[in-house]
Amino acid sequence: AQSVSQHNHHVILSEAASLELGCNYSYGGTVNLFWYVQYPGQHLQLLLKYFSGDPLVKGIKGFEAEFIKSKFSFNLRKPSVQWSDTAEYFCAVTSYAGGTSYGKLTFGQGTILTVHP
Amino acid sequence: DAGITQSPRHKVTETGTPVTLRCHQTENHRYMYWYRQDPGHGLRLIHYSYGVKDTDKGEVSDGYSVSRSKTEDFLLTLESATSSQTSVYFCALRDGKDSPLHFGNGTRLTVT
Repeated sequence: AQSVSQHNHHVILSEAASLELGCNYSYGGTVNLFWYVQYPGQHLQLLLKYFSGDPLVKGIKGFEAEFIKSKFSFNLRKPSVQWSDTAEYFCAVTSYAGGTSYGKLTFGQGTILTVHP
Repeated sequence: DAGITQSPRHKVTETGTPVTLRCHQTENHRYMYWYRQDPGHGLRLIHYSYGVKDTDKGEVSDGYSVSRSKTEDFLLTLESATSSQTSVYFCALRDGKDSPLHFGNGTRLTVT
């Protein structure tokens, strides 16, 4: 079964600091990769996604992620965080075994990001 | 957001009682999912549906059942609620298996 691992449970930064959140997955076949964000008290929202093509993908609010197939990684980055980026971030993977997955996503455990003004 | 309504938004129930959570969509999307969110576990898939009356189990399906008698509604039933089922439950849907998930606002369930 596929699994997703997020390296950090809680990251604390000051505004303007750079951010990198790690994500590794276990499946070796074709994958689609996602980062979702959950602001306090809200539901999950899509930040960015990778299906194919350029391994560096850009999402909303200045976030980007790089897919490194050889490392089974899909790390999230932002050059300069803001207080409003305080949220929980989830990496998720869909894999295709035998040509179908019904779009089931496997999520990582989540990383809480706290940004101090 | 994506026309998803979960009901109720909050519920407190006693151990041993049955509970049904409803997910209603106005998007006519084929794929619907129920996840539970617990601290330290992220989101875990309970059940999913790939069409009317077509459902299957996810990774944490024990103690849960689902039904989808029409495209717009996906019901999650806790047959006999236990304290370990205290959680936040999210419904999600997508229009194709390669499109991103869109989530509902969640149902906070407390089993006492």
